[in-house]
Amino acid sequence: EVQLVESGGGLVQPGGSLRLSCAASGFTFTSYAMSWVRQAPGKGLEWVSSFSGGGGGTYYADSVKGRFTISRDNSKNTLFLQMNSLRAEDTAVYYCARAYCSSATCYPTDYWGQGTLVTVSS
Amino acid sequence: DVVMTQSPLSLPVTLGQPASISCRSSQSLVYSDGNTYLNWFQQRPGQSPRRLIYKVSNRDSGVPDRFSGSGSGTDFTLKISRVEAEDVGVYYCMQGTHWPPTFGQGTKVEFK
Repeated sequence: EVQLVESGGGLVQPGGSLRLSCAASGFTFTSYAMSWVRQAPGKGLEWVSSFSGGGGGTYYADSVKGRFTISRDNSKNTLFLQMNSLRAEDTAVYYCARAYCSSATCYPTDYWGQGTLVTVSS
Repeated sequence: DVVMTQSPLSLPVTLGQPASISCRSSQSLVYSDGNTYLNWFQQRPGQSPRRLIYKVSNRDSGVPDRFSGSGSGTDFTLKISRVEAEDVGVYYCMQGTHWPPTFGQGTKVEFK
């Protein structure tokens, strides 16, 4: 059974940092791209970042470029999102999702975690 | 960025009756490889999103056949042939043809 379990969310002050983790199981992690998607309270879905499977390419939304870094530890089947210089508008539930990299883009697909809440507030 | 516009944003439904959601993109979603990377997701209350349809009309494993996707170019539709109680939630279209991947605003499906 495919499982994605996020952790690391919490309350942080503006300008602070957090590192999210996503532990994957039930599939061959190295064979898949992965994505982060966020959802602000009461709002819709926003793609944040993707990490391709084999090629190692990383991709970011303009809203987080230069502040967030996606990475993965294939030996531990874990995806990370390092979030720096956090702003109030980054407040959201952050989901990790298995992704697909076509010749076009890398986008979230069939399996999503339960999400972890990040609150940026003083 | 490609703007995905869904309508309606709120859809009152009746148990056992059909329902339909429209999704329009600001650019054609046909990629040079011939594929159209248009997906539909369902988010039930309090749950994570779940993909229902990929590449316009392909149902994911375990998705009931009352859900169907259609369309081409810039106009796409998700149809539920007979709404069941478990179909309540918010539905999103998402394009993966152009960077960055973008979602529609969501359509809230609820019973009348």
